[in-house]
Amino acid sequence: ELKVEQNPLFLSMQEGKNYTIYCNYSTTSDRLYWYRQDPGKSLESLFVLLSNGAVKQEGRLMASLDTKARLSTLHITAAVHDLSATYFCAVDGTSGTYKYIFGTGTRLKVLA
Amino acid sequence: DTGVSQNPRHKITKRGQNVTFRCDPISEHNRLYWYRQTLGQGPEFLTYFQNEAQLEKSRLLSDRFSAERPKGSFSTLEIQRTEQGDSAMYLCASRQAGGASYEQYFGPGTRLTVT
Repeated sequence: ELKVEQNPLFLSMQEGKNYTIYCNYSTTSDRLYWYRQDPGKSLESLFVLLSNGAVKQEGRLMASLDTKARLSTLHITAAVHDLSATYFCAVDGTSGTYKYIFGTGTRLKVLA
Repeated sequence: DTGVSQNPRHKITKRGQNVTFRCDPISEHNRLYWYRQTLGQGPEFLTYFQNEAQLEKSRLLSDRFSAERPKGSFSTLEIQRTEQGDSAMYLCASRQAGGASYEQYFGPGTRLTVT
């Protein structure tokens, strides 16, 4: 059964600092997705990573995918308070259905 | 607006009552997914449609849950005899089969509270 794990589960960081969230998954997949979720809200798509070595950047966030290591990272550069949210990675490892298996989530709090 | 829509956005019901949620996918998308998210957890897959055919159901989907997608357009998710454990956010997503990114587009969700 495909499992997706994120760490850390909780992250409290100061504004201006850098940090990385890790997403590990247990089976072969070439596609990984990152989402942001604010409290009580739905999922906002951040990045779609479709191949080994894919790297995408948007503002202070950069995501990468290493399919051989079954690892994706979400790097935060010079954090600001507005980045406070929960971040999920998801993998669609089941051919045909392509249902998403979500990670446990990382709850990020950026302190001013 | 061409995004995924869900109704109602919030539903409060008493234990034992039946509830029905609706999802309208992006019009050209033939695949539709339902997920459930409980507090502090990631979304979990419930069921999936391709056009009007329900092709997969999670073991999370007990006999009290039923989903339909008549005519391959909107979908409904019904919960019978609700229990407090059914309290969650119910998310709907859609995508187009054969799309290059396989990306699913999520609706705003329906938050169910069972009292």
